[in-house]
Formats: sequence, structure tokens, C-alpha cells
Amino acid sequence: NAGVTQTPKFQVLKTGQSMTLQCAQDMNHEYMSWYRQDPGMGLRLIHYSVGAGITDQGEVPNGYNVSRSTTEDFPLRLLSAAPSQTSVYFCASKVDPYNEQFFGPGTRLTVL
Amino acid sequence: AQKVTQAQTEISVVEKEDVTLDCVYETRDTTYYLFWYKQPPSGELVFLIRRNSFDEQNEISGRYSWNFQKSTSSFNFTITASQVVDSAVYFCALGSNQAGTALIFGKGTTLSVSS
Repeated sequence: NAGVTQTPKFQVLKTGQSMTLQCAQDMNHEYMSWYRQDPGMGLRLIHYSVGAGITDQGEVPNGYNVSRSTTEDFPLRLLSAAPSQTSVYFCASKVDPYNEQFFGPGTRLTVL
Repeated sequence: AQKVTQAQTEISVVEKEDVTLDCVYETRDTTYYLFWYKQPPSGELVFLIRRNSFDEQNEISGRYSWNFQKSTSSFNFTITASQVVDSAVYFCALGSNQAGTALIFGKGTTLSVSS
């Protein structure tokens, strides 16, 4: 049981480049989320999903797209990276709305 | 509005001191859940406790204890006899219907324990 996995662990992009942060879980959890963590800001919700084919916006969705074609995967896409998107990104999953969220190890993204 | 406030940005203590981390939440839901997570210097997020709104009993787990008070909308976390390994960022989080299905986190409290 790998839990929640994220790739890559580190990434450097130039402004305007696009990329996809990968997230996968093997616990058959319906609920998945993406957060970003910035110094002094805590974890802020970007997008979340309640099941395959269903996604919704969180607190800071601008500049990010998501899709959920399978229960296991929940990729986060940056279409045109900006320096303001420099952050640590965490993916999380849980079995139902009110239970513990399991977090991936995070992806540290730097946009130059 | 759903909100979690951790007013203490940073706390520094010496080993063996007791320390309390404060958490105040806002929600209009009558059913909600509160969580504490620990983020050590290595960066991963570690689940510590989950508490539902119908259970106001305090909980103790080793040196950790939690005080949930609905009257003051608080869910405080106390570490007794702190150790250097307790040094981390601690996050309080809220889960409720109004918050959607993801957790809403406070900004975190950085605890530094020196020897």
C-alpha cells in the first residue's frame, strides 16, 4: 500500500511553461484534494474532487486546472507558470468527507 | 464562513516545559470535525487527532492532550514535558458541510523546543 504518491518531488520551471503535477492513491478513496503551502499562509485549497468526473474549485484555483478520469489519479495542471506559483504542493485523499486526510510527500515547485 | 485561526505564529520553549497551541474555529454547521496535523522539518504532514462536534471529551495520548470546547469554539493542543523532537509546525483543520469535502487549515504554529 503506497498511500498517496506525488511526482515529481522537485521541479524548476520558467515563466510561461506548462507542466502537470501527478498525484495517485491506491486506497480507493473517492475524495482527493490539492493544496499549496506558502510561508505563513498555511495550506490553502486549490481544487478538490468527490469522485471520478467531479471536481470543484477551492480557495485559490486561478492558474490551475484539474481533472479526475479515474478514482486513483488526480493531476494538477499549470498551463502557464508564474513566479507566484512557486510553492510546495500537497495532494491528499480520504475515504469520506469527514475523516482523516492522507497527504502525499509534496512537490516543491520553483518558477523563475 | 469557515475559518480556522491559530493566533500563535511561533512558540519557543525549553525541553520539559509544557506548551499549549491554540486553535479557534468558525462554522455554522452543527456537525463538523476538527483535526490536528504535525509537519516536522522533513516536510511531511502527519495526522495527530480527529474530533467530531458531538464529542467534547478531552483526549490524552501520551504527552499529547486536546481540549475541545464548543462554547468557545476552540480545540487546543497541549504537549506535556516537551522534547526536541516535538519541534515542528502544527496545523489545526476543520471539516464541515459548508467547507465542502476538503479540510480548511489554519496558518499553523511553529514550535521550537530547545535542549
